[in-house]
Amino acid sequence: SQQGEEDPQALSIQEGENATMNCSYKTSINNLQWYRQNSGRGLVHLILIRSNEREKHSGRLRVTLDTSKKSSSLLITASRAADTASYFCATDNSGNTGKLIFGQGTTLQVKP
Amino acid sequence: DVKVTQSSRYLVKRTGEKVFLECVQDMDHENMFWYRQDPGLGLRLIYFSYDVKMKEKGDIPEGYSVSREKKERFSLILESASTNQTSMYLCASSLWDSTDTQYFGPGTRLTVL
Repeated sequence: SQQGEEDPQALSIQEGENATMNCSYKTSINNLQWYRQNSGRGLVHLILIRSNEREKHSGRLRVTLDTSKKSSSLLITASRAADTASYFCATDNSGNTGKLIFGQGTTLQVKP
Repeated sequence: DVKVTQSSRYLVKRTGEKVFLECVQDMDHENMFWYRQDPGLGLRLIYFSYDVKMKEKGDIPEGYSVSREKKERFSLILESASTNQTSMYLCASSLWDSTDTQYFGPGTRLTVL
C-alpha cells in the first residue's frame, strides 16, 4: 500500500536555486523520514521528523511536518549539481514494527 | 559505519529458474527488509524480518520467499522466476523500530529473460 505520495514527480532547477518537494500521507504517523537515492543505487537516510515536531533542519535541508494536513515538505537550499537524485518520504504508519512505507519519490535534476 | 551488502549488482536469469538474492548487514540489526523498486511505483515491501527465523509478508510477497537463519543474513528467493519479476531489488536493515534509520544495500538489478 502506498502511504506517502510525493509531489512533484520530477523537478528541474538551476544550481543555486531552492528545491521544494512535498509528501502527503493518509494515516496517523509517529514519524516521517526523508531518503535520497542516487541513480541506480540504494537509498540514504537524510532526516527524521517526529509527529510532535513542526520543523527540522540539517545543513541545507529543511523539513516541515503538518500533521493536520498529513503532509511534509523537504526544502533544499542553494542547490548543487550533486543534489541531483531521487528523494523519497517514508512513514511508519503509526506502528512500531520498524516497517516504513515509502512514497513514489521526486526526481530532482539540478543543472550546473 | 553500517554496511549492507548484496550478493550481486546485476543478475540475468531465465524464466523458471530458482533465484537467490543474498543480503548481509554488519551492525547487529534486528530488522531486515527486501523491497523491489519499479519506475513509477516507488519501493514496495516484499518481506520483512524482525528476528532470526521470524518473517512477515509485505505488500507484494507473491512469488517470493525469504530465509533468515542468521541475524546478519537475509535471503530473498524467487521460487520460479518470471519476466514480471524483472526489477531492482533493494535490501535494508534497521536497528529496532520505526524511529531507526533504514540502511540500504546498493541494490541488485535482476533481469528475467
